[in-house]
Amino acid sequence: AQTVTQSQPEMSVQEAETVTLSCTYDTSESDYYLFWYKQPPSRQMILVIRQEAYKQQNATENRFSVNFQKAAKSFSLKISDSQLGDAAMYFCASFQGAQKLVFGQGTRLTINP
Amino acid sequence: NAGVTQTPKFRILKIGQSMTLQCTQDMNHNYMYWYRQDPGMGLKLIYYSVGAGITDKGEVPNGYNVSRSTTEDFPLRLELAAPSQTSVYFCATYPGGVTKNIQYFGAGTRLSVL
Repeated sequence: AQTVTQSQPEMSVQEAETVTLSCTYDTSESDYYLFWYKQPPSRQMILVIRQEAYKQQNATENRFSVNFQKAAKSFSLKISDSQLGDAAMYFCASFQGAQKLVFGQGTRLTINP
Repeated sequence: NAGVTQTPKFRILKIGQSMTLQCTQDMNHNYMYWYRQDPGMGLKLIYYSVGAGITDKGEVPNGYNVSRSTTEDFPLRLELAAPSQTSVYFCATYPGGVTKNIQYFGAGTRLSVL
């Protein structure tokens, strides 16, 4: 079974600073997709960023970027210029067969003003 | 745009009761999913469907049943509710084909079994 591991249960960062959330995954597939989802207290699952495994270039979305290391099966999320609204649970997920998402355990991000 | 609609938003059940969590989508997506999220944890797949009339088990199917008679609806049935089923339940859809491989989530149903 495919697995996704987030080893940081909690992280905190000062407002306007940069923070990196870690994720590792295990898959036997050659083509797959990786995602970071944000879950604020409202519980809504919000897609932050996605990465196609066949693309070497790291994905970026405004202040959010990833460091995708395919050989190491690592997929970290960098948040630049952290804002109070970034406080949430962040989940790393992989897209596997039958388009099923496998989620990590989550990292709770706190932004200190 | 309604997207993925889940009802109810909250529900409290007594042990042994049964209920159906409703999920409806208006995007004509082929794939639909049910996930559960236990406190402080990630989402785990309960059941999924790749089209009307086709369903399959996910990682944690015990205690649940599903049906998919139409493209729009994918209800999740809990029989003989147990405290271990206290969780937040998410329904999601995916269009299939050549897309950005993005799943679309409903707002969730918080269920407590007491």
